[in-house]
Amino acid sequence: EPEVTQTPSHQVTQMGQEVILRCVPISNHLYFYWYRQILGQKVEFLVSFYNNEISEKSEIFDDQFSVERPDGSNFTLKIRSTKLEDSAMYFCASSDGQGVHEQYFGPGTRLTVT
Amino acid sequence: AQSVAQPEDQVNVAEGNPLTVKCTYSVSGNPYLFWYVQYPNRGLQFLLKYITGDNLVKGSYGFEAEFNKSQTSFHLKKPSALVSDSALYFCAAPLGNTPLVFGKGTRLSVIA
Repeated sequence: EPEVTQTPSHQVTQMGQEVILRCVPISNHLYFYWYRQILGQKVEFLVSFYNNEISEKSEIFDDQFSVERPDGSNFTLKIRSTKLEDSAMYFCASSDGQGVHEQYFGPGTRLTVT
Repeated sequence: AQSVAQPEDQVNVAEGNPLTVKCTYSVSGNPYLFWYVQYPNRGLQFLLKYITGDNLVKGSYGFEAEFNKSQTSFHLKKPSALVSDSALYFCAAPLGNTPLVFGKGTRLSVIA
């Protein structure tokens, strides 16, 4: 069964550094998403991406964040200058449609900012 | 404001007993509702969804959910709980421009 994969599984970085989190969505999916889950809190939407551009983004997704689909398979989330409060689990997801279509999630990348 | 809510942080149930994990919603128009499960150190796995039609929706691993429009609820159920069902369960819905808004999650513990 196809699945969403994410690398790395755990990333430790110093405050102020740039990080890139990588995702490979399910191959025939067209919609891609990033969510985050701060420890002990609910899963929060960051951004959705369709047709090579951002379709929606939340208030969390400020100028420090960017997304890219550099090739036909990868989908990346970049945090330009990490802050302590960026420490969280970041989940990538993909779907073949919006609204009624379920999203399939990757296993997540745990980002620790020190 | 539109929202999904899970009123219970924790649900404990004995193995073999029926389980219910509660979700209520406040959505304008016809709601689309989802249940996801998160096992330790894993991503979220889709369990089931309600779009329209039958109020009883069947999903993966023997789970089902009942959509109740009058009570604005979408409770997750299973007739006979297994220890392996112990996990974190999330109710979710697309709300406004947000593709999925999640409830806070309910931790289910099934005790042998």
